[in-house]
Amino acid sequence: AQKVTQAQTEISVVEKEDVTLDCVYETRDTTYYLFWYKQPPSGELVFLIRRNSFDEQNEISGRYSWNFQKSTSSFNFTITASQVVDSAVYFCALSEDENAGNMLTFGGGTRLMVKP
Amino acid sequence: EAQVTQNPRYLITVTGKKLTVTCSQNMNHEYMSWYRQDPGLGLRQIYYSMNVEVTDKGDVPEGYKVSRKEKRNFPLILESPSPNQTSLYFCASSLFVTEPAETQYFGPGTRLLVL
Repeated sequence: AQKVTQAQTEISVVEKEDVTLDCVYETRDTTYYLFWYKQPPSGELVFLIRRNSFDEQNEISGRYSWNFQKSTSSFNFTITASQVVDSAVYFCALSEDENAGNMLTFGGGTRLMVKP
Repeated sequence: EAQVTQNPRYLITVTGKKLTVTCSQNMNHEYMSWYRQDPGLGLRQIYYSMNVEVTDKGDVPEGYKVSRKEKRNFPLILESPSPNQTSLYFCASSLFVTEPAETQYFGPGTRLLVL
């Protein structure tokens, strides 16, 4: 069965610090997809990234970067030079190729608080 | 503007009083789904639909019903709500043609309180 674990329930940093949000997943499939979503205080879910299991290249998008390591089943998310607007709950999610329902299995989320 | 809309955004009701939360998307997506979000549990899928008249259970379907009569709409029905259905509900949609695990786009959420 698929499972996603975000061990950090809450992280607090001061603006301009770098911060890494951890995500560890479990799956028996060889083909799967990993996602990160952001949920700001307003409550909506904002898509950040989708990565398939065959693409282990790290990705950078502005201040955001993602480190995918199949060997440790991790898909960690780093925010460089954090800003107050980065304060949100961040969810990591997994979808298996064999899952006909296209179901996303979410981790419990990490609440990030960036203080000025 | 491409979006997923949900109504109502906030709802307080009493145990046993039937309610419907509507979900509509304007992106011509085949796939739609419902999730509930509870503290520490992330989001869990309730039901999904791959196309019109095709629906199936997700992880936590008990106490819920859905229908998909039109491509753009996917209402969530609680026939007899109970307090354990107090939660934040999200509707999502995605293209579901040939690519598995297409990115799902979420509505703004509906916060439900059942007394």
